[in-house]
Amino acid sequence: EVQLVESGGGLEQPGGSLRLSCTASGFTFSYYEMVWVRQAPGKGLEWVAYMSSSLTTIYYADSVKGRFTISRDNARSSMFLQMNSLTADDTAIYYCARDVAGPARAFDVWGQGTMVTVSS
Amino acid sequence: SYVLTQPPSVSVAPGTAARITCEGDNLENKRVHWYQQKPGRAPILVIYSNSDRPSGIPERFSGANSGNTATLSISRLEAGDGADYFCQVWDGFSDHWVFGGGTKLTVL
Repeated sequence: EVQLVESGGGLEQPGGSLRLSCTASGFTFSYYEMVWVRQAPGKGLEWVAYMSSSLTTIYYADSVKGRFTISRDNARSSMFLQMNSLTADDTAIYYCARDVAGPARAFDVWGQGTMVTVSS
Repeated sequence: SYVLTQPPSVSVAPGTAARITCEGDNLENKRVHWYQQKPGRAPILVIYSNSDRPSGIPERFSGANSGNTATLSISRLEAGDGADYFCQVWDGFSDHWVFGGGTKLTVL
């Protein structure tokens, strides 16, 4: 079964840091580009970060650039999101997702999400 | 930055068809994808590249993209189709993915 499982969410104070993990199974992780997408409570979806399968290309949303760092370990079928200088606006469910192979650039597999709450 | 606009809500009777729109500048020049999200669940891709259906998605789901408007159509509506639907594109100019604000589909 193709699956993505996120972990690492929790409650953190403003200005603090968290590291999210996403572990893949059921497919060859190293073949696929991967992304993080978040959803604030009661709000819509917001793309956060992207990393190519080869680790050579990275993109960030303007709202997180300079504070968040995406990385991956293809040997461990895992992706990570290091989140620093957290603010209340970062409170959201964070999903990892797989980018469909080819030019479509859609997300065909999603994890169940991990909740990040930033509050004092 | 590129903006996608969706109606906040659509209400339709069961057994009929629903159409959810997504508007953006010269949208026909982009590939539009659609996601279904039910409360407490992760999104599911239901249409990609304007009109293609992933395996496992019923034929009742279809998509089109022309001019500045993309449309997700769902025929023979069932109660289980009630959900939030989001459109999405890749904006190659900014190297960003963009989501529409989402449309809540209510099956009356």
